Amino acid sequence: GNSVTQMEGPVTLSEEAFLTINCTYTATGYPSLFWYVQYPGEGLQLLLKATKADDKGSNKGFEATYRKETTSFHLEKGSVQVSDSAVYFCALSDALQGAQKLVFGQGTRLTINP
Amino acid sequence: DSGVTQTPKHLITATGQRVTLRCSPRSGDLSVYWYQQSLDQGLQFLIQYYNGEERAKGNILERFSAQQFPDLHSELNLSSLELGDSALYFCASSVGGTSNQPQHFGDGTRLSIL
Repeated sequence: GNSVTQMEGPVTLSEEAFLTINCTYTATGYPSLFWYVQYPGEGLQLLLKATKADDKGSNKGFEATYRKETTSFHLEKGSVQVSDSAVYFCALSDALQGAQKLVFGQGTRLTINP
Repeated sequence: DSGVTQTPKHLITATGQRVTLRCSPRSGDLSVYWYQQSLDQGLQFLIQYYNGEERAKGNILERFSAQQFPDLHSELNLSSLELGDSALYFCASSVGGTSNQPQHFGDGTRLSIL
């Protein structure tokens, strides 16, 4: 079945550092790809998405490019802030005969120190 | 604020009991999804409803059931509860049910089985 693999955490960085969280996927067909973020005590918030190969999703300084040749959707940010501390989930949309479900990676906990 | 409302926020109950979790989707969204988040299994898709009809089933136990009502709110019923059912249960909604539409998540219901 379809699956998503994220880099293992936790990841700890200093403020203003460059961030990369790796995400690779296995899928039949052409899934849409998403990054969600979960702040402590809250639900998942959509961070960005890409629906086809070579699409770049971006939001709040975060970017990710849908790479079909490497089956990857790595999350990047040029300069992180303390407020970016959260758990980040990579997900793909698995269409099942007109239905939809999200398949999530295991999540990567990110801590940014001032 | 995602616009998805889940109640209650916390539930504490005992093994063997039955509980009902409630979800109100974003205004205009026809699809409702239920997910379970646990430490050992991560985020797992349970079930999807679209405009009152079941669309897809994931790893949902037979002790669990769900429905979507004419006003589009949904309920997840968990019965004969076991210790292993302790988890965070999320509801999400989307406009339709296609793979490129993002799902918007509520803040979840934390279920603790004593």
